[in-house]
Amino acid sequence: GIQVEQSPPDLILQEGANSTLRCNFSDSVNNLQWFHQNPWGQLINLFYIPSGTKQNGRLSATTVATERYSLLYISSSQTTDSGVYFCAVRKAAGNKLTFGGGTRVLVKP
Amino acid sequence: GAVVSQHPSWVICKSGTSVKIECRSLDFQATTMFWYRQFPKQSLMLMATSNEGSKATYEQGVEKDKFLINHASLTLSTLTVTSAHPEDSSFYICSARAPWRGGGTDTQYFGPGTRLTVL
Repeated sequence: GIQVEQSPPDLILQEGANSTLRCNFSDSVNNLQWFHQNPWGQLINLFYIPSGTKQNGRLSATTVATERYSLLYISSSQTTDSGVYFCAVRKAAGNKLTFGGGTRVLVKP
Repeated sequence: GAVVSQHPSWVICKSGTSVKIECRSLDFQATTMFWYRQFPKQSLMLMATSNEGSKATYEQGVEKDKFLINHASLTLSTLTVTSAHPEDSSFYICSARAPWRGGGTDTQYFGPGTRLTVL
C-alpha cells in the first residue's frame, strides 16, 4: 500500500514562531488532506489539497504532486495550534485514506 | 456543513460485554463511512469501510466477528465491539465522505471519537 511519512515527529515552538511540516507519499494520489487533532481527539479538516497552494488565515499548504510531497505552514503560531497534525492521502482510483504518523506540535506561551 | 457525530463520546464496560458505537452524518448523506482505531500517541488505523446496504469491508487483521459494522441508512453506521476485552480499549473514530465544503470533490470528515475503556 501507499506509504505516508511526516516530519518532524515532534515540534516545540515559542508562541509567534513560524514552522513548516512535511508530508511525503510514495504513490500518485487524487486526494490529500491535512488535519489538526485537538487535545480532545477531534480531527479538524484544514485543507483538501491534492495539488497547488491554498491559504486559510495563518495556515497555508502546498502540494507538489509530481514530487510526491506536501507542506503545511503555520505562521505566527498560537498556543491553540498545539495538537497533532496529520497528513492523509488517497491513491488515484482508491477508496482508502491512509494517514501519516503525524507531527505533534506544542506551542509554548 | 459536513458534520459527523458519534455516540457515546466515552464508555466504560466490563470485560465480556458488548458495546455499540453510533456514527451519524448530520447534514449530508453518506453512502460510505469508515471506522478507525487510534492508540495513544499513534496515528489512525483504518479498521473497515462501511457501505450502506451492503457488507462492510474489513482491513487485514481486523476480526469481523469481533467488530460488527452495520450501515443501515445513508446517515447512520454502527460499530459493535462484541465480547470486549481490555485490549480492545482504544479511541474509535468514524468518518464519512462528503463534498469538500459544497464542492464537487469528495473528502472525509471525522466524528469526535469514542473512547472505550474495558475493565
